Amino acid sequence: GNSVTQMEGPVTLSEEAFLTINCTYTATGYPSLFWYVQYPGEGLQLLLKATKADDKGSNKGFEATYRKETTSFHLEKGSVQVSDSAVYFCALRNGDDKIIFGKGTRLHILP
Amino acid sequence: DAGVTQSPTHLIKTRGQQVTLRCSPKSGHDTVSWYQQALGQGPQFIFQYYEEEERQRGNFPDRFSGHQFPNYSSELNVNALLLGDSALYLCASSLWGAREKLFFGSGTQLSVL
Repeated sequence: GNSVTQMEGPVTLSEEAFLTINCTYTATGYPSLFWYVQYPGEGLQLLLKATKADDKGSNKGFEATYRKETTSFHLEKGSVQVSDSAVYFCALRNGDDKIIFGKGTRLHILP
Repeated sequence: DAGVTQSPTHLIKTRGQQVTLRCSPKSGHDTVSWYQQALGQGPQFIFQYYEEEERQRGNFPDRFSGHQFPNYSSELNVNALLLGDSALYLCASSLWGAREKLFFGSGTQLSVL
């Protein structure tokens, strides 16, 4: 079946550090891949997406590349800010409208 | 422009009771999906409504049912509550023709005692 595995948190970094949150997936065919972010007290928001192999999604300084050979979609940012503190979810959509989410990674950025 | 609104924000029930959660989609949206997010887990798809019909369903028992009204708002009903139903229930709306662009509400936190 379809599933998403992402690194467990919490992840704690200092401001301006480099961020990587690992995500791998299991799916048949060619799923669409997403990163969602959940800020404290707010609803989930789509951060970025990629719909085919080698596509790079990007938004707000975050990037992730759809790697079919390694079934991965790692989230990266070159210089994190305190305002990036949130829970990040990797997710996929494969042939229907169900979005399958990973368990989430909580990110704390220290000033 | 109001986003997706859910009510109530918090709810406490006891085992065996029934609960109804409500969702108003983002203005202009016609499709509503519901997700359950247990503590420390990612959201899990419950079902999706469009044109007042259930279009897709996840792996949830029949105790979970829903409804969509002509104004596109939606309700999630859960009967015979179990302790394991305690979770954050998220509503997401979209346009049927752009279902990948989901907008989520802040959720209803349900506690079953």
